[in-house]
Amino acid sequence: AQSVAQPEDQVNVAEGNPLTVKCTYSVSGNPYLFWYVQYPNRGLQFLLKYITGDNLVKGSYGFEAEFNKSQTSFHLKKPSALVSDSALYFCAVRAPGFKTIFGAGTRLFVKA
Amino acid sequence: EAQVTQNPRYLITVTGKKLTVTCSQNMNHEYMSWYRQDPGLGLRQIYYSMNVEVTDKGDVPEGYKVSRKEKRNFPLILESPSPNQTSLYFCASSPSGRGGYEQYFGPGTRLTVT
Repeated sequence: AQSVAQPEDQVNVAEGNPLTVKCTYSVSGNPYLFWYVQYPNRGLQFLLKYITGDNLVKGSYGFEAEFNKSQTSFHLKKPSALVSDSALYFCAVRAPGFKTIFGAGTRLFVKA
Repeated sequence: EAQVTQNPRYLITVTGKKLTVTCSQNMNHEYMSWYRQDPGLGLRQIYYSMNVEVTDKGDVPEGYKVSRKEKRNFPLILESPSPNQTSLYFCASSPSGRGGYEQYFGPGTRLTVT
């Protein structure tokens, strides 16, 4: 069965410290990988994606993600967290055929 | 402004009373999709559409219907809503291509079924 796992319900980090939000997936074929962010009472916003090529992709607001095919992971990272980064983050996989699978989400809390 | 709109934004209804949540996009996207968001479960795909008159089931299609008669509109129909369909619903759209395009999400519809 196809699935996306975000093993941490919540990640706590101090402002200025690096952050990592983890994502692993189990999908057949070569999927497309995405990160989205949801701020309170808002819809989801696209952050970044991996389609092909360089395993390190850069996205909006200083975020980046590293694709690791052997570990089937796509972890979200940022070198220096901001309080304004506090939000709910979703990893998503778009399988061949355009079905989309989301992880359960990870709440990021950045403390000043 | 490029956007996905949903109506209504909030809806409280009773069990069994048919309802429709509308979704419209102005970006000429081929692909549209409906999701429900529940705490601890993330977003789960209900139905998606590759283009006009082409729809397919997602992971949780039971109790829902969709239609895609026009490219810009993708309404979600609950013929006989039940309390377990209380949820936050999102519509999304994207170009089709080969699937590598990000989705644009609407603002959400919070549905309560009593």
